[in-house]
Amino acid sequence: KQEVTQIPAALSVPEGENLVLNCSFTDSAIYNLQWFRQDPGKGLTSLLLIQSSQREQTSGRLNASLDKSSGRSTLYIAASQPGDSATYLCAVRGNYGQNFVFGPGTRLSVLP
Amino acid sequence: EAGVAQSPRYKIIEKRQSVAFWCNPISGHATLYWYQQILGQGPKLLIQFQNNGVVDDSQLPKDRFSAERLKGVDSTLKIQPAKLEDSAVYLCASSPARQGPRTEAFFGQGTRLTVV
Repeated sequence: KQEVTQIPAALSVPEGENLVLNCSFTDSAIYNLQWFRQDPGKGLTSLLLIQSSQREQTSGRLNASLDKSSGRSTLYIAASQPGDSATYLCAVRGNYGQNFVFGPGTRLSVLP
Repeated sequence: EAGVAQSPRYKIIEKRQSVAFWCNPISGHATLYWYQQILGQGPKLLIQFQNNGVVDDSQLPKDRFSAERLKGVDSTLKIQPAKLEDSAVYLCASSPARQGPRTEAFFGQGTRLTVV
């Protein structure tokens, strides 16, 4: 059974810092991995999707990497801004058609 | 394109009452998911539909939860009777029929349920 963990559980940084969020999964036979952002009281917004054959994906100030063999993904946020404050969730999908298994999330606060 | 629509946004009920949530996925998306997210935790799958058939309902508490997607489009999730521990955000998501490694899931805003 796939299990996903995320560290740290919470992170507080001053504006402008570069930061890394970590995601680990127990079963390396994944189809893809998706990073989401969740603002308080809101749904999930997709940030990046990494296919199992890829090593990384970039969108603006965000860069996500994937190391399937070690069961790890990282989300790198460059030059953090107060608007980046949210909870970041990673989710992995197993084989074709399977659902996403989520981690518990990292709650990020970027202080002005 | 329009996103995943959910209603209501908020619901407060007393324990032992019943409640229903509605979801309309993105047009053309054959796969629909219902997730339960308890405060401070990641979402947990309740049920997955492919068109109007159930793919996975292994984590659905079937003694009190039910879901249907009769015409393969919109879906309803019902809880009857509700318990205090059902207080959570209920998220609906959809994804295209052709499942591939680039297939993303798109989420609605969720329904926040409080059982008192």
